[in-house]
Amino acid sequence: DAGVTQSPTHLIKTRGQQVTLRCSPKSGHDTVSWYQQALGQGPQFIFQYYEEEERQRGNFPDRFSGHQFPNYSSELNVNALLLGDSALYLCASSSSGGSSYEQYFGPGTRLTVT
Amino acid sequence: AQKITQTQPGMFVQEKEAVTLDCTYDTSDQSYGLFWYKQPSSGEMIFLIYQGSYDEQNATEGRYSLNFQKARKSANLVISASQLGDSAMYFCAMREGRDYKLSFGAGTTVTVRA
Repeated sequence: DAGVTQSPTHLIKTRGQQVTLRCSPKSGHDTVSWYQQALGQGPQFIFQYYEEEERQRGNFPDRFSGHQFPNYSSELNVNALLLGDSALYLCASSSSGGSSYEQYFGPGTRLTVT
Repeated sequence: AQKITQTQPGMFVQEKEAVTLDCTYDTSDQSYGLFWYKQPSSGEMIFLIYQGSYDEQNATEGRYSLNFQKARKSANLVISASQLGDSAMYFCAMREGRDYKLSFGAGTTVTVRA
């Protein structure tokens, strides 16, 4: 049973570019959340997708957008990259029909903006 | 205001000894959940233990136990019989009411010495 997978593992981009990160949820999960974790800090909630719609959003600018596909996988897009966007981006999946507290995290994508 | 406060940036513990990681939280909701996650250097967030606000018993999962003191808004993690593999960053997190996001603390680094 595959857990949450994310791609790519690492990414280096230049300021002003755009990036797309991908997440496949754990089998049986239908909800995907994205978090940004700056170095030495705790993760910060970006948004959550359920039924292909953004259900809740954290305090992030519109440069951060996402999408959920019918197979429940998700993408995180960041436009006009800033140096401050360098971070570990974590995807977490959960089941709307299961235990309300279980969120499983993927290994993350480490984004470096130069 | 910070929802989750972890005041110990780093801790050292001898192998086979117990260690307590502090976590205090701030919420006005009656219904909430408290989580502890472990993050090794690889980056993946590993779920350890959960405590619901209405749970009367302290949660336990193997060598992990959560010392829940509701009146003090405290949810400390106790790791018994520490192992070298316990060396990692530990995060306390909270989910409030009907909120979908997890709010994380800044984390505590635990280093287990042989």
